[in-house]
Amino acid sequence: DAGVIQSPRHEVTEMGQEVTLRCKPISGHNSLFWYRQTMMRGLELLIYFNNNVPIDDSGMPEDRFSAKMPNASFSTLKIQPSEPRDSAVYFCASASGELNTEAFFGQGTRLTVV
Amino acid sequence: AQKITQTQPGMFVQEKEAVTLDCTYDTSDPSYGLFWYKQPSSGEMIFLIYQGSYDQQNATEGRYSLNFQKARKSANLVISASQLGDSAMYFCAMRGTGTASKLTFGTGTRLQVTL
Repeated sequence: DAGVIQSPRHEVTEMGQEVTLRCKPISGHNSLFWYRQTMMRGLELLIYFNNNVPIDDSGMPEDRFSAKMPNASFSTLKIQPSEPRDSAVYFCASASGELNTEAFFGQGTRLTVV
Repeated sequence: AQKITQTQPGMFVQEKEAVTLDCTYDTSDPSYGLFWYKQPSSGEMIFLIYQGSYDQQNATEGRYSLNFQKARKSANLVISASQLGDSAMYFCAMRGTGTASKLTFGTGTRLQVTL
């Protein structure tokens, strides 16, 4: 398996534009996590899906952020409109439903909003 | 609610020495898993070691071992014989069961290995 695949790896956009980050989890994994990492706030869990259903979105910062998982092999995180303070590295991770299995992370998307 | 606390923002260790990175946690879930991840300067997240809440023995993986003290709710990572390549951020994380099966991370500890 190729692991968790995120795209794009880097994104530079202007304030006010819509940004869509994409994630393909490992086949067979039924849990998917979106994280945001910044120097100031560390690694924050934004939203967590189980079997394509959002279970906990309490970490989504505001209504400008939305996430979907239309099927088991694809998820998106959208920011509309984007703001400079959204600049961060966004990670997607997937895991099986078993408690004793680790989550595998994608390489991350480095987002810069200017 | 789950909470992970890492109180050491930064640590230094000399090459070939052992180092302990602290992690305490809080959860009301009777069954949970504890994880450690390494994040080198290149940015990727690398899984190191896992400890289950019902495991009787402390987990070990090569030079990594986990000092699990359930009553004290601590899960410290011990790295033996430190190498320069161990310099990185280290994150402790927890995963519960059911609706608490999200993976929650601590704030991390930056380890610097010196000659």
